[in-house]
Amino acid sequence: TQLLEQSPQFLSIQEGENLTVYCNSSSVFSSLQWYRQEPGEGPVLLVTVVTGGEVKKLKRLTFQFGDARKDSSLHITAAQPGDTGLYLCAGGRGAQKLVFGQGTRLTINP
Amino acid sequence: NAGVMQNPRHLVRRRGQEARLRCSPMKGHSHVYWYRQLPEEGLKFMVYLQKENIIDESGMPKERFSAEFPKEGPSILRIQQVVRGDSAAYFCASSDGTEAFFGQGTRLTVV
Repeated sequence: TQLLEQSPQFLSIQEGENLTVYCNSSSVFSSLQWYRQEPGEGPVLLVTVVTGGEVKKLKRLTFQFGDARKDSSLHITAAQPGDTGLYLCAGGRGAQKLVFGQGTRLTINP
Repeated sequence: NAGVMQNPRHLVRRRGQEARLRCSPMKGHSHVYWYRQLPEEGLKFMVYLQKENIIDESGMPKERFSAEFPKEGPSILRIQQVVRGDSAAYFCASSDGTEAFFGQGTRLTVV
């Protein structure tokens, strides 16, 4: 059974600080996706990484896929209150049967 | 993603009733997935369908749950004789085979 573990589960920091969220597994994934979920809403896709070692940037967010395609990280620079939310990583083969981590609940305090 | 439409957004059912959850995929997407999210837990895969076919239902309980994606119309997740443990958020996602885009979910409450 493939599992994805995210750490930390909860993170509360001040506006302007940097942070990194980790997503780890003992299994290899063909691709890994990061989502952000607001309360009462569905997950919104942020990025998909498919190549080992791949780095993708989305404004202040930097996503990296591990060389062995077993882990990934999300780094946020100069966090803002608008970054507050639940961040989910999900692995699978394309969009099929995604395995989700339990999420990192991020709070950015003004 | 606003492109995947789920309804209803909220559904209240008494124990023993049936719940029907609907999902219209994004235009051009022929793959539909259903996930369940229990309170304070991550999303768990239930079933993967393409038009008129169930591709993978390994995550769906063997009893009381069924899913379909007919040639015409939305995908339907059906839960018969609901119990309190079925209370959860049910999300539908669609894809063209590469990336999955989620709807806003249906929050089912069994009273």
